[in-house]
Amino acid sequence: ETGVTQTPRHLVMGMTNKKSLKCEQHLGHNAMYWYKQSAKKPLELMFVYNFKEQTENNSVPSRFSPECPNSSHLFLHLHTLQPEDSALYLCASSQMYVDQPQHFGDGTRLSIL
Amino acid sequence: QQQVKQSPQSLIVQKGGISIINCAYENTAFDYFPWYQQFPGKGPALLIAIRPDVSEKKEGRFTISFNKSAKQFSLHIMDSQPGDSATYFCAASMTGNQFYFGTGTSLTVIP
Repeated sequence: ETGVTQTPRHLVMGMTNKKSLKCEQHLGHNAMYWYKQSAKKPLELMFVYNFKEQTENNSVPSRFSPECPNSSHLFLHLHTLQPEDSALYLCASSQMYVDQPQHFGDGTRLSIL
Repeated sequence: QQQVKQSPQSLIVQKGGISIINCAYENTAFDYFPWYQQFPGKGPALLIAIRPDVSEKKEGRFTISFNKSAKQFSLHIMDSQPGDSATYFCAASMTGNQFYFGTGTSLTVIP
């Protein structure tokens, strides 16, 4: 496989459930990102990992918990979500400190019942 | 504060016409400006990118025009096709650090 792969592609969960989103990049990049994309709103950066260390946390509620076990894998653990958390969650990777673009996965469409 | 401002929010163009999307930024430390194309159900994909040491970059029907003094850059799609119908995002970054995205432009090309 090449590029950035996200699983699952679709997820429906209740407000009391616990689930995890997974992202894997095969590009040899050293940085990974989680974004939230809602209709008619700009991309919202949630978390940044640089060499497996979290460097950004843009005031994201604690019901979202990221995990980066190595530079190729990124998880987003979800629990006690709210209906307004329904959105497309995008993972991206890049080579930090180099003028190269971010590469995105196709996202997980999350619906909270 | 929105670091990158994008307009218009939506755009309808006839097939064969020119589509123009504009972006403006404030931070003069930005040194890398990519454009992304996103189709429904897919993630954003890099379309074309420019660095501030050039004023124009062309790849096929897609051209970026860059005006450093005005802190503006734009995407021109020549001979627009229905298959170009998608959402387009501009972005800016500093040496590959955090990327700042525009709000997106929904382009519809009418046959």
